Amino acid sequence: LAKTTQPISMDSYEGQEVNITCSHNNIATNDYITWYQQFPSQGPRFIIQGYKTKVTNEVASLFIPADRKSSTLSLPRVSLSDTAVYYCLGAESGGSYIPTFGRGTSLIVHP
Amino acid sequence: NAGVTQTPKFQVLKTGQSMTLQCAQDMNHEYMSWYRQDPGMGLRLIHYSVGAGITDQGEVPNGYNVSRSTTEDFPLRLLSAAPSQTSVYFCASSQGQGGSEQYFGPGTRLTVT
Repeated sequence: LAKTTQPISMDSYEGQEVNITCSHNNIATNDYITWYQQFPSQGPRFIIQGYKTKVTNEVASLFIPADRKSSTLSLPRVSLSDTAVYYCLGAESGGSYIPTFGRGTSLIVHP
Repeated sequence: NAGVTQTPKFQVLKTGQSMTLQCAQDMNHEYMSWYRQDPGMGLRLIHYSVGAGITDQGEVPNGYNVSRSTTEDFPLRLLSAAPSQTSVYFCASSQGQGGSEQYFGPGTRLTVT
């Protein structure tokens, strides 16, 4: 289970691109990087998952360099509704444990 | 397809009372788990289950019991509530462990006075 480190908080403005970086120096060969989003008073929601290079879906992009010691979640042109806490997890797909969540990054988008 | 449901949404208990938080999923997932979230904190794993009849402890299991008699249901029991158990409780399910996508319920906000 990779130990991850991410900023506690970030601020942005509507229309800007936001990049949240997660450090996972001890990531194992079989670990995937997964990001979740949590709105106030709701449970976390899966956003995106990747192993290396770049993954893109309708919500975000995930960049993982060749050494896989970090990853960057990119949210294009954020809106006020993207204000949430974002969690980065490193875990082996199908691995024999339930992953735990750290404190995440609290993103506040300003008008 | 309701996903993961939790009841109740809110609950106030007095110290020493007992109660059961209910969690159900209709996705036929083998893996289910309970987390608690305190203000400004991430989610901490309480107990989890890898299938009917099989449960195990997470990082903060003290004061909580679980059982898994069916694939669908995974109740969390507080035997003797304490103020330190005031928190928001989330139930989650997934097809697999490790990096498998987890589906979370809406949460139960519990206050112990």
